[in-house]
Amino acid sequence: GESVGLHLPTLSVQEGDNSIINCAYSNSASDYFIWYKQESGKGPQFIIDIRSNMDKRQGQRVTVLLNKTVKHLSLQIAATQPGDSAVYFCAENRPNDYKLSFGAGTTVTVRA
Amino acid sequence: KAGVTQTPRYLIKTRGQQVTLSCSPISGHRSVSWYQQTPGQGLQFLFEYFSETQRNKGNFPGRFSGRQFSNSRSEMNVSTLELGDSALYLCASSPAPGLKSSYEQYFGPGTRLTVT
Repeated sequence: GESVGLHLPTLSVQEGDNSIINCAYSNSASDYFIWYKQESGKGPQFIIDIRSNMDKRQGQRVTVLLNKTVKHLSLQIAATQPGDSAVYFCAENRPNDYKLSFGAGTTVTVRA
Repeated sequence: KAGVTQTPRYLIKTRGQQVTLSCSPISGHRSVSWYQQTPGQGLQFLFEYFSETQRNKGNFPGRFSGRQFSNSRSEMNVSTLELGDSALYLCASSPAPGLKSSYEQYFGPGTRLTVT
């Protein structure tokens, strides 16, 4: 799989490999985080969320890791498939802020 | 359960005109938020409504306004359109009843606004 510590705007992955998408969030007061997937011509689709009292959460083929010490969030996709090609955004929320703040997004391209 | 719906999906307007976009949230969701998405600025928060009250507003000029109706449907209006207002306008709804620690939002497909 491919793994980088820094946020990259693009990520190219071989089909079947694992992908890791990184995100640095800005506010230490944020206590809730979401990963979204956005395909061309569509709105962002909710993938997985995590609260700040957790450091790991798993879904179907996806895992989100949260490191509050360095304000870092990552999304791991297992056995990446062509349908995983999209732009992935992380979003953070602070208590009583009633909005999400989004990262810049990473474009994932899956190579056959 | 039906997702968030937005109308119209595509819109072309001329500079100086105004536009109204509509959003119907997921049934039972009472919070509606609006975001502007552009290639240069990414996803930027416009405003959020809950029970017909605006609870938060992003850093946009007063030409951008919104409202929410008693059935939770929401509209946003942009007056005196500028070329830079060309963007994808996304609506998101949340079941959040108010003060809670998670604020998951579900997005609609967006309205693509082009200003010429």
